[in-house]
Amino acid sequence: DGGITQSPKYLFRKEGQNVTLSCEQNLNHDAMYWYRQDPGQGLRLIYYSQIVNDFQKGDIAEGYSVSREKKESFPLTVTSAQKNPTAFYLCASRVREEAGANVLTFGAGSRLTVL
Amino acid sequence: AQKVTQAQTEISVVEKEDVTLDCVYETRDTTYYLFWYKQPPSGELVFLIRRNSFDEQNEISGRYSWNFQKSTSSFNFTITASQVVDSAVYFCALYNFNKFYFGSGTKLNVKP
Repeated sequence: DGGITQSPKYLFRKEGQNVTLSCEQNLNHDAMYWYRQDPGQGLRLIYYSQIVNDFQKGDIAEGYSVSREKKESFPLTVTSAQKNPTAFYLCASRVREEAGANVLTFGAGSRLTVL
Repeated sequence: AQKVTQAQTEISVVEKEDVTLDCVYETRDTTYYLFWYKQPPSGELVFLIRRNSFDEQNEISGRYSWNFQKSTSSFNFTITASQVVDSAVYFCALYNFNKFYFGSGTKLNVKP
């Protein structure tokens, strides 16, 4: 079955440590996105990538980094510079078209807790 | 600026009641898309519907229906005869220029 796999599902980190969240898709989608979800705040865009080796900052990119070396993979690193990293992180992807929007497909999310 | 507002933070209903989730959006563009997603307790957002700005026809899918009104910049979602399985957080979203803008979500509790 095609879909998006996020790992780990739960992650605990000590303050000052970097952590990388994995996102892999086998949908052959071009564009991939990382969102952060906090209670009552909906989804906020961290980074997105429309093609391999290219990515753009979203609304809350500070303290995060990404890479897009392969079409299938879009890992997110939460660095020690992120002041409040405890949150639920969602990865999504979609086919990129010139005309019209396409549906975002989401992974099951990764919940990061900083101890 | 693009913005999506879901003023209802949380709604509780008893099974079989009808419930409407409100969504108001802001955009200056004439071409855009609107979406509804469902997020069950498992966490994964599930796509429900997409509407483009040129199609104001209302849509019905089983117990779900959507009312799109450009005059009021609203895209409301109604569940008829709600069921416990409808309990989830529902997000409305706006898309244009390769970016999606999500509302803060409405948590729906359907009690047996």
